Amino acid sequence: GAGVSQTPSNKVTEKGKYVELRCDPISGHTALYWYRQSLGQGPEFLIYFQGTGAADDSGLPNDRFFAVRPEGSVSTLKIQRTERGDSAVYLCASSPRSNTEAFFGQGTRLTVV
Amino acid sequence: GQNIDQPTEMTATEGAIVQINCTYQTSGFNGLFWYQQHAGEAPTFLSYNVLDGLEEKGRFSSFLSRSKGYSYLLLKELQMKDSASYLCAVLTNAGKSTFGDGTTLTVKP
Repeated sequence: GAGVSQTPSNKVTEKGKYVELRCDPISGHTALYWYRQSLGQGPEFLIYFQGTGAADDSGLPNDRFFAVRPEGSVSTLKIQRTERGDSAVYLCASSPRSNTEAFFGQGTRLTVV
Repeated sequence: GQNIDQPTEMTATEGAIVQINCTYQTSGFNGLFWYQQHAGEAPTFLSYNVLDGLEEKGRFSSFLSRSKGYSYLLLKELQMKDSASYLCAVLTNAGKSTFGDGTTLTVKP
């Protein structure tokens, strides 16, 4: 595809449920980033992959959040026991390599009710 | 950690020039990005500065002073479509970018 693709675009879930958010980066991009963004704020860093490994996961807020990128391409962000405070737009971005501009997907709007 | 400050809101007139400032404190600085984000859309890349000085790209220019921890984005000949949020992001040598909360620019006729 031409750009970063994220699915689903919208997800409404009940408090306590498990959700998976998918990111399909631009082909050949080795760096992949997950951010989340609340209204009126900038993107908040969650985790960064270089290839298959998580180079920096310091932004994951707690152990309910986990992300994988098993083949160095598609990544999945997994959230267990969702809470209302998890509601936000989850943005994925990819770069040809680290230290270059990031190309963002349209995001997944997660609403926990 | 990082501390990035930008004004929350700015208003300017169509055809005018506006400067959006960003100050930062960080360790392991490796460059600074500016992104534009229209409401409900994803951020898109505008500029990248790693050395001190001014980078010009059409109507948009970006300036960096590493010693002062300061950058600005300059938008010339403002158009209505420039109404958006402008995000300053600091890149560290660990390879990740940390964003400020953005400056919402409103361009009025």
